[in-house]
Amino acid sequence: DTEVTQTPKHLVMGMTNKKSLKCEQHMGHRAMYWYKQKAKKPPELMFVYSYEKLSINESVPSRFSPECPNSSLLNLHLHALQPEDSALYLCASSQGLGSYEQYFGPGTRLTVT
Amino acid sequence: GESVGLHLPTLSVQEGDNSIINCAYSNSASDYFIWYKQESGKGPQFIIDIRSNMDKRQGQRVTVLLNKTVKHLSLQIAATQPGDSAVYFCAEIWNTNAGKSTFGDGTTLTVKP
Repeated sequence: DTEVTQTPKHLVMGMTNKKSLKCEQHMGHRAMYWYKQKAKKPPELMFVYSYEKLSINESVPSRFSPECPNSSLLNLHLHALQPEDSALYLCASSQGLGSYEQYFGPGTRLTVT
Repeated sequence: GESVGLHLPTLSVQEGDNSIINCAYSNSASDYFIWYKQESGKGPQFIIDIRSNMDKRQGQRVTVLLNKTVKHLSLQIAATQPGDSAVYFCAEIWNTNAGKSTFGDGTTLTVKP
């Protein structure tokens, strides 16, 4: 199984809502990543987890809160988002931080109204 | 289909032609580079990688060239097929074992039958 799954595929939320994005992989990878991708732009790194510990936070606003409950799961909790946060949120995994090939999920298309 | 050395946001080629996609990277200390392919509605997919101590690497129908002097990377696709139509991104990694990838601006490749 070389698949990274993400749910939901699409999400529409208001600025006062709280929602969560979920990501799962069963490849035994120990590094997991969240990226944000705006239309026609490259993915931008948000967070990196290694062995379930936060390794990198690219100065992401606190309205985005990542969580890695176990080695297969990665969540992104959303609260009080702004319309400019609307984007495709991609999850990825790799064998470890030193293994650079990342496997990406299909993403969650988020719209903030 | 090519424009040597110049990054173009779009590239259109005839089926069966060779394609060359260019990328300029930013950090002379980067030690690893990856090309990704992103099809519509999907996450990026690993194509080929190259380390900074190499200047050429070949895969199946694809070749990556690295010119460290001018910080330039190119992806050559032989006998381009309609299924190659996608957005192509290069990514550079300069912090070994930190898991931090930075993506360049993408090139949208359209293959005409």
